[in-house]
Formats: sequence, C-alpha cells, structure tokens
Amino acid sequence: DGGITQSPKYLFRKEGQNVTLSCEQNLNHDAMYWYRQDPGQGLRLIYYSQIVNDFQKGDIAEGYSVSREKKESFPLTVTSAQKNPTAFYLCASSSPLVRTDTQYFGPGTRLTVL
Amino acid sequence: DAKTTQPPSMDCAEGRAANLPCNHSTISGNEYVYWYRQIHSQGPQYIIHGLKNNETNEMASLIITEDRKSSTLILPHATLRDTAVYYCIVGIRGSTLGRLYFGRGTQLTVWP
Repeated sequence: DGGITQSPKYLFRKEGQNVTLSCEQNLNHDAMYWYRQDPGQGLRLIYYSQIVNDFQKGDIAEGYSVSREKKESFPLTVTSAQKNPTAFYLCASSSPLVRTDTQYFGPGTRLTVL
Repeated sequence: DAKTTQPPSMDCAEGRAANLPCNHSTISGNEYVYWYRQIHSQGPQYIIHGLKNNETNEMASLIITEDRKSSTLILPHATLRDTAVYYCIVGIRGSTLGRLYFGRGTQLTVWP
C-alpha cells in the first residue's frame, strides 16, 4: 500500500528536550511538507522540500529544523527553542508532475511537552 | 494569508445534500480551487479541485461561479462519516512551491 507514515502517533517530552518526528512516504513524490495545527485552528506550514537535499522555511520555521537526505524521508526536529511546541504535527507529500498535484497527508503526530 | 472565507460551521441531515460555500474574491487567473476535509485527529484528505468548470468525482461536486469569486462543494447524500472540517483553498497547480494555505475551514456536522 502506498502512503505516508508518521511515527509515533503520540509523543511526550519534557520541556527543553529536542524531539524528532518521523515522516516516510513510498509514493515516489518529490515534494514533502510539515504543518503544525493547534486546537480549533487551520494548518500552518513549517518547512517544505521540493527535492532531495533542499528545503525552504515556511511561515513558522523558528524553533524547528528538517533534513531531506532521502526522497522518502523528511524528519522534523522540534528544538528547545520552540516556545510552544505542544501541537498536532502533519506531514504531507505531493508530486507536481501528477495531474492532480494534490497533497497527501499522514495520520499526524500529537506532541505534548510537559 | 487567508485567501478564502468560509462559514465556521454548518449542519446537515443524513441523506440530504450538504452545500458548503466558499468565497475567494481575490483569486487570480491561474489559481485553482481545492477542497480538503479533516476528520477529527486525522490528516486532511483531498476531495476535489477545479479551475473554472464544474467538477464531479466519486466524493463530491464542485460548482464554481462564472466570475470565479466563489464556489460550492456539494456532498450529494451526506452520511455520518462526512462529519469533518472542510477546507476551501486556492493555489497554483503545478507550481514549484506547491503551498496550500489552510484556514479554519467549515465544521460540517451530519446528524441522523
């Protein structure tokens, strides 16, 4: 089955610790994205990557970092510099070459910082 | 960057059509209208998109006004499983950015 996986589904961390969220896709998509969602709010773009070894900041990149060493993987690190890290994090991918050019989302990771 | 306006909530009886409106008065000529939905605590799911013609697929129909300043997503026979937040988004298809701006959307509640 093709799709996007995110792990873990729930994550708890102590304040001041860095944490890395996993995102893997087997859709052969070039582009990948990370979004953050707070309760009752829409999605806000953190980082996105159009190709391997390249990525750009989104609207709320401060306190986050990413890497794109493989086409299939786009991990997000929430650093201790992120002031309010508790949120629902969503990963997505897309292929500009595909007719619909839609974004496919993973199931999300709910991060709680204690 | 909110390019769309949607009502915060709507409800619909099961089996009836759900008509979800969206205003996008500043849409540019090369921007598409996309609809996604998000069931509680899950990732958003693509529904449909269109440029200027009406579109239909197995999930829904999209009606875009002639001036393209507004659109309506139609779920012809709503079920309880259609209860979700529906997002109307405008974006440039095939752009190297591929960025979609998700606002707060419309919470659709389908009741039995």
